[in-house]
Amino acid sequence: DQQVKQNSPSLSVQEGRISILNCDYTNSMFDYFLWYKKYPAEGPTFLISISSIKDKNEDGRFTVFLNKSAKHLSLHIVPSQPGDSAVYFCAASEIQGAQKLVFGQGTRLTINP
Amino acid sequence: ETGVTQSPTHLIKTRGQQVTLRCSSQSGHNTVSWYQQALGQGPQFIFQYYREEENGRGNFPPRFSGLQFPNYSSELNVNALELDDSALYLCASSLVPGLTYNEQFFGPGTRLTVL
Repeated sequence: DQQVKQNSPSLSVQEGRISILNCDYTNSMFDYFLWYKKYPAEGPTFLISISSIKDKNEDGRFTVFLNKSAKHLSLHIVPSQPGDSAVYFCAASEIQGAQKLVFGQGTRLTINP
Repeated sequence: ETGVTQSPTHLIKTRGQQVTLRCSSQSGHNTVSWYQQALGQGPQFIFQYYREEENGRGNFPPRFSGLQFPNYSSELNVNALELDDSALYLCASSLVPGLTYNEQFFGPGTRLTVL
């Protein structure tokens, strides 16, 4: 039972353009959402998060949008840079309790010069 | 500030053996979570330790067990290894769980191969 889904295994974007990564979830108890970035041979690093009481959170070139009614979130990267090439994981958590992260399968983003 | 460290980096075991993986949490953190990441998949939650007690467990069998020590470092033990246990094992540390989400910081992982 995949509670967090990233339906695009890979995405290729030209440098300078917008990258949009999508994520869907099924568990209505999730109330905190995060994006992690992972380079080969490294652990995931936190990128940006959003609480369920918001619909948008922005941090520099990164913006996360949350549509609770559709159980959908997206990560926008503008402008995309070669260093953004990595695997991006969407994750969700309930604020209370063990706060375990439930991850999607990941999307490999490649930024082409 | 020291980040999350894990040892060893790589490990090769044979089916039926036992393995112990180690994690040192980031300074100031007192909660450790373990995740298993199979090839091509996202990390899956194994369990979390807080104040040396298990504080939540994912859908993993009892042969996956753990410990947390007074200095907040942690071990993951896997008994009776199976081929499907081959994966990257990630440790993440965070502050005391509470009513707000506490960001988890990940280590680089231990790559376990079971032959």
